[in-house]
Formats: sequence, structure tokens, C-alpha cells
Amino acid sequence: QQQVKQSPQSLIVQKGGISIINCAYENTAFDYFPWYQQFPGKGPALLIAIRPDVSEKKEGRFTISFNKSAKQFSSHIMDSQPGDSATYFCAARGNYKLTFGKGTLLTVNP
Amino acid sequence: NAGVTQTPKFRVLKTGQSMTLLCAQDMNHEYMYWYRQDPGMGLRLIHYSVGEGTTAKGEVPDGYNVSRLKKQNFLLGLESAAPSQTSVYFCASSQTSVPAGEQYFGPGTRLTVT
Repeated sequence: QQQVKQSPQSLIVQKGGISIINCAYENTAFDYFPWYQQFPGKGPALLIAIRPDVSEKKEGRFTISFNKSAKQFSSHIMDSQPGDSATYFCAARGNYKLTFGKGTLLTVNP
Repeated sequence: NAGVTQTPKFRVLKTGQSMTLLCAQDMNHEYMYWYRQDPGMGLRLIHYSVGEGTTAKGEVPDGYNVSRLKKQNFLLGLESAAPSQTSVYFCASSQTSVPAGEQYFGPGTRLTVT
């Protein structure tokens, strides 16, 4: 049973464009929603995270939007750069553990 | 401060062989985790530990065992490797004050079972 559904699987964006990744969850007990960035050959690293009592959080070019009633959250990367090319994972926390989405491979063309 | 380290970085096993993957963290974190990452599958939790001497099963524990004898180390064992265990394995740790919040990941171990 996939508890966190992430889309799209892959995304190609032109430099300067907006990258949008969507996630949906099923378990209403989840209480924390982080996003991780992973470059090839490296471990994932935390980018930004949000709690369900906040509808939006922005850090630099990265924004998370959260819709508790719809059980959905999304990330926006503004002014996407070639250096943002990586795999992005959304996740949800419950009972000491994180459940990850399957990931989105983002390619930003120069 | 090395963060989370994993050894070895690469390993090739034959079916039926055994091995142990070592994870070490120098951040005094209570929580530690082992994940496997397969193409198109994201990160799946194998086992985790909420403190020294404790272990618990995650989403995909079959075929693996773990031990947390020291707070800074978390070992993942494969007793009889199978080709289905070919994967990239990541260890992670997190602080007590934010359980399973910000997890810090190691660089990974790429395991191939032939």
C-alpha cells in the first residue's frame, strides 16, 4: 500500500521556469512533511519541511504548499536552474518513521 | 564532524553469501534507520532503532537483521543474500527532539548480488 503518492515521475523544465511536484497522502496521522533532494551518487538531503497547521512555507526559491483537507502538498521551485537537476522526494512522518514518495527526476535545461 | 558514514561503498556478493553493512554517526543522534533504494521505488524503510539496544521492523524487513549495540553504530546484516537484495542501501539518523523529522543520510552502499 503506497501511503505517499508523488507525481510526476519525471519533469523537464527550462532554465528560469517553475518546477512543480505534487504529493498526496492517505494517513491522517502524518504530522510532518519534508522534501528531500538527491544528487546522483549521494544520499538524500533535507530541503524544506512543513507542518499541517501551515498552508505555505517559503525558503528562497523553494515553496511548499499544504492542503490538509485534500491531503495533498506540493513543492514549487521558482526560477529553476540547471544546478537544481536532481531527484526530489516528498515524505510524511508518522510514528518515528518517514514514508517516502517514489521520487521525481527533475531536469532543468540551460 | 563526519556526519553519517557507511562502509563499504560498494560490494558484490554471490547468492547465499552473508555480509554486514556498517553505519556510524557522530552527531549523538538517538534514532537510526536503514533504507533501500530501487529505481522507481523511492526509499523504503528496512529496519530502524529509537535508541541503543533497540530495533524495530520497517516496511521491508524480510531477509535482513540489524543490531544497535552502540549508540553511534547501526549494523545491517544479510544472512543469505539473494538477487532481489541488489539495491543501494542508505543509513540515516535523526535527533531525539525531532523524531523522524530531519533525517541525515549517509552516502549509500551499492550492493550487487549475482
